[in-house]
This record gives sequence, structure tokens and C-alpha cells, in this order.
Amino acid sequence: EAGVVQSPRYKIIEKKQPVAFWCNPISGHNTLYWYLQNLGQGPELLIRYENEEAVDDSQLPKDRFSAERLKGVDSTLKIQPAELGDSAVYLCASSVAGDSTQYFGPGTRLLVL
Amino acid sequence: EDKVVQSPLSLVVHEGDTVTLNCSYEVTNFRSLLWYKQEKKAPTFLFMLTSSGIEKKSGRLSSILDKKELFSILNITATQTGDSAVYLCAVFSGSARQLTFGSGTQLTVLP
Repeated sequence: EAGVVQSPRYKIIEKKQPVAFWCNPISGHNTLYWYLQNLGQGPELLIRYENEEAVDDSQLPKDRFSAERLKGVDSTLKIQPAELGDSAVYLCASSVAGDSTQYFGPGTRLLVL
Repeated sequence: EDKVVQSPLSLVVHEGDTVTLNCSYEVTNFRSLLWYKQEKKAPTFLFMLTSSGIEKKSGRLSSILDKKELFSILNITATQTGDSAVYLCAVFSGSARQLTFGSGTQLTVLP
């Protein structure tokens, strides 16, 4: 069974530029999560999708961050414009609906210069 | 606000040693506690615990949950250099339906 797929693995951009991350969850997993992980910290939830609906986006900085999961499968997270403080690892995870066990992708390491 | 605290923050041991990692939590409507291992990539799932006093075991790793005292421990016996990683503890809230992670314990196993 294929795991959670993310791309790109690494991204270096200049501040004020836009950037997008893509995630394809494990087949059959209705719930998809985007997390941000800073160095030395645990992952922090940005947004949770149940199928195509964003059911918890309370921690997503909506002035510059947006996400979509149009067909309830893969998802895109966008930052526009990026700031220096956005440098971090962006992790995507998925789970079966209602199950607490989440499976993580390899993450996208973002560096904003 | 849900909270997870892990200790120690970092630990350096030699191969063959036994280590115990700690996780305490405060969460509304506790459903489960999960342990993950994170090397330089994605966190990989180790254990999910829902009931007090029942040990989960996988090879040299084991974990147990105490729902009365609100903590869990992860034990690793006969450590190997390949055990070097960050170990993350997370709790799942049935209310928020999300995981809250601790900051992790950085384990380094020296040959």
C-alpha cells in the first residue's frame, strides 16, 4: 500500500514569493491534515479536511495561507506571500474517518530567504 | 487548551542501554495517546494506547498508559544506533478530533 505522498520535498524561495505544496493521501483515507513543524517542536495542525470539507481551519493564518481539496482526495496548501518566518517543514497526514491513527508523508522543507 | 509535555527533551546513551521516555498530558475528552518515531523525515507510527495498564510491545519497544495520572512511558531496551531519532507523543481529543503533539525527545544512541 502506498503511503502519503508529498511534493516537492524541498523548496527555497525568496520572501514575498508564492509557494504551493501538494499532498496525496493513502487511498481510502477520508481525513487529511496539514501540519507545520518548526525545528525542535512537534507538528502543529493547520487544517483538517473530512473529504472535501475543511472542518477545522482555526489555526490556519488565512491572510496568507490557503488550502483546497477539491475532489476529496489530493490537497494543495498555498502561501502567498511567503515570509521569513514561514520557513519550516510542512507535513501532510491522513487517516480513516474517526480513527486517531494518522499516517504522515515525508514533508516539504521550506526555506524562505 | 490541550497540552502534551515530554521529558527529557534530549537523551544521550550508549548502545545496549535501556531508556524510558515520558509523556504527560492534559486533554479534553481523551480518546487515545500515540507514539511516533521521527528520523530526518516523516513521523512513523509506533503505538496507539487507549486503556490504562495494558502494555503495548513491539520488539525492543514497549509503552504503557496511565489514564488516572495522565501520563505514558515509552521504553526501549538494548538500544541500537538505529534507535536514534526524535520520539513524539501525541494525544487525540474526541472533542477537537485532532492530535496535539509534544515537543519530542531527541534520543541519541552512541556506538
